[in-house]
Amino acid sequence: DAGVIQSPRHEVTEMGQEVTLRCKPISGHNSLFWYRQTMMRGLELLIYFNNNVPIDDSGMPEDRFSAKMPNASFSTLKIQPSEPRDSAVYFCASTPGDPGQFFGPGTRLTVL
Amino acid sequence: QKEVEQNSGPLSVPEGAIASLNCTYSDRGSQSFFWYRQYSGKSPELIMSIYSNGDKEDGRFTAQLNKASQYVSLLIRDSQPSDSATYLCAVNARGYSSASKIIFGSGTRLSIRP
Repeated sequence: DAGVIQSPRHEVTEMGQEVTLRCKPISGHNSLFWYRQTMMRGLELLIYFNNNVPIDDSGMPEDRFSAKMPNASFSTLKIQPSEPRDSAVYFCASTPGDPGQFFGPGTRLTVL
Repeated sequence: QKEVEQNSGPLSVPEGAIASLNCTYSDRGSQSFFWYRQYSGKSPELIMSIYSNGDKEDGRFTAQLNKASQYVSLLIRDSQPSDSATYLCAVNARGYSSASKIIFGSGTRLSIRP
């Protein structure tokens, strides 16, 4: 059974460009989470969805960040425009209801 | 005050000894508690969950919860070099609901020396 799938695994872009990160949760999991991890700030929850509905987006740093979950098997996190301080590893995680989460491999984003 | 606090370490333990990792949390209403292991360059991996006061054992791992003290710990017996990683404590304030928000601590870096 495939785990959480994220793409791309690495992204290098220039400041001002739009970045779209993608996530496919584990089939049957009804909650999906987007995290950002940096050395300075650790693992930060950005937004989470339950049954495709955004529940809490208080962790989204600013309006440049947006997330969607159009169906149960796909979610995107978009940054527009990107800035160097957005450089981090972005994780997607899903859970079937037991709060324990299963993390994807992450996307390492570098904004030059 | 951070919602979930951990000593960042590094915690250095000799091989074969017991490693003890600690975590405190601020929300007294928290009901679910988790330990994740994260190897360098990898994603966090759930290794233990605990919901009620007391101890829960799984192989070489024991999670301990004391809700009155708002304290959760992880013991690793017979530590192996492969246990060297960062251990993240996570707390869910709303219990078993899937629409729950999990807060992570900043992690404790554990190093097992041969």
